[in-house]
Order: sequence, then C-alpha cells, then structure tokens
Amino acid sequence: GAVVSQHPSRVICKSGTSVKIECRSLDFQATTMFWYRQFPKKSLMLMATSNEGSKATYEQGVEKDKFLINHASLTLSTLTVTSAHPEDSSFYICSAPAGSYNEQFFGPGTRLTVL
Amino acid sequence: AQKITQTQPGMFVQEKEAVTLDCTYDTSDPSYGLFWYKQPSSGEMIFLIYQGSYDQQNATEGRYSLNFQKARKSANLVISASQLGDSAMYFCAMSRPPFQGAQKLVFGQGTRLTINP
Repeated sequence: GAVVSQHPSRVICKSGTSVKIECRSLDFQATTMFWYRQFPKKSLMLMATSNEGSKATYEQGVEKDKFLINHASLTLSTLTVTSAHPEDSSFYICSAPAGSYNEQFFGPGTRLTVL
Repeated sequence: AQKITQTQPGMFVQEKEAVTLDCTYDTSDPSYGLFWYKQPSSGEMIFLIYQGSYDQQNATEGRYSLNFQKARKSANLVISASQLGDSAMYFCAMSRPPFQGAQKLVFGQGTRLTINP
C-alpha cells in the first residue's frame, strides 16, 4: 500500500514556541492531504484540507492563523502550530488518498506536548 | 452533514471467536463511501475495508467483512477467527464518493476491541 510519513513522531516544546510537522507521501503524489487531531481516547477530528498550490481549507472552529498549513509540493504538506500553548497538546495525524478506493493512507502521527 | 455512530465503547472477545463491531450512519448524500480503520496502541491508522453505497455485494478483505444494510443505514464490521493482534481501537468512517476525488473522512467515536487468550 501507499506510504505516508510524518516527522517528528514526538515533540515537546515550551509554551509560546512554534512547531512544524511534516507529512510526506513517499511513493505517490498527493495533490490533497488532510490533517486530523486526536485527543486521548477520542476520535479523529478533521482540522483542514491541504491543497497543493493553493490555500488550505479549514474546518469550522479551527484557527487558520494558529494552525498554518503549506502544501509546497505534490509529496509534502506541513502543519505549523504557532505560539503553541498547553491546550494544543494532542496527537496530530495526516493522511493522503491513494489506492483502489481512493482510501486515506495515514501517517504514523505526531504527539505534541506543550509545557 | 454526515454522521457516524459507534455505540460500543468496548468489546471483549475470546481468541478465535468471530466479532461484530457496530456502525450506523446518517447522511443526505445519495452516494457515499464507508470505511473501517484499525488503530493499534502505536497510533497508526490502518485501512481495513471499504464499501461503496452503490455496491450490490458486501465487501470482504481476508478475515474482515462488512455487513452493509443500506435501508437500516448500518455498516457493521465482522472479524472472523479473532487473533490477539486484533486488539486495537476500530473506527468506522464515511465520506462522499471517493471516486469523485479526495474526500475528507468523518469518523465515529470508535470501539476498543480486546481479544482475550
């Protein structure tokens, strides 16, 4: 199946700093990628749709100035959490469609802890 | 709007038994796709099976099958001959038809499956 990587897998940062998370499609091109957020023991909530060469589409209630998304190439999308605060601590996971059913292939996720 | 409901927060099953994980959905879209994903404790999301609303037959993938009842708006996952490695969180999800291009997923709350030896 298609492979999606994420980097870093885990990050701990101080309150007020910015954190960049990379999502790469390793063996296929993805004009669209999705960013989800998952709190402990909860489901995945879509944050935004990342579109190559154009602006991301954010879900209702997601601050676009807080969560900056850039889709610079057909294999890379980045999520930058700006001025992170403890409430931003969460598991962030990206996905890209591929395969017979255009199903989503997910990255391994990034666990962000803001102190 | 699309909505997925998984009413079983947790399931405990003996190894080698079959297990059914429930999923009901609601949508006003005439066509849609239904997915099941497995999330082990490592956090990765693993695609298991897909069912299109327009498919006449229930989807099967190895030990996984999807019991699709369109009139009842249910898409239950059946795992045959459960194994210890099946212990994980299972999510049901839906989207607009994936053949129309990349579609965002709406997830249910998930069911934590534990397989006992």
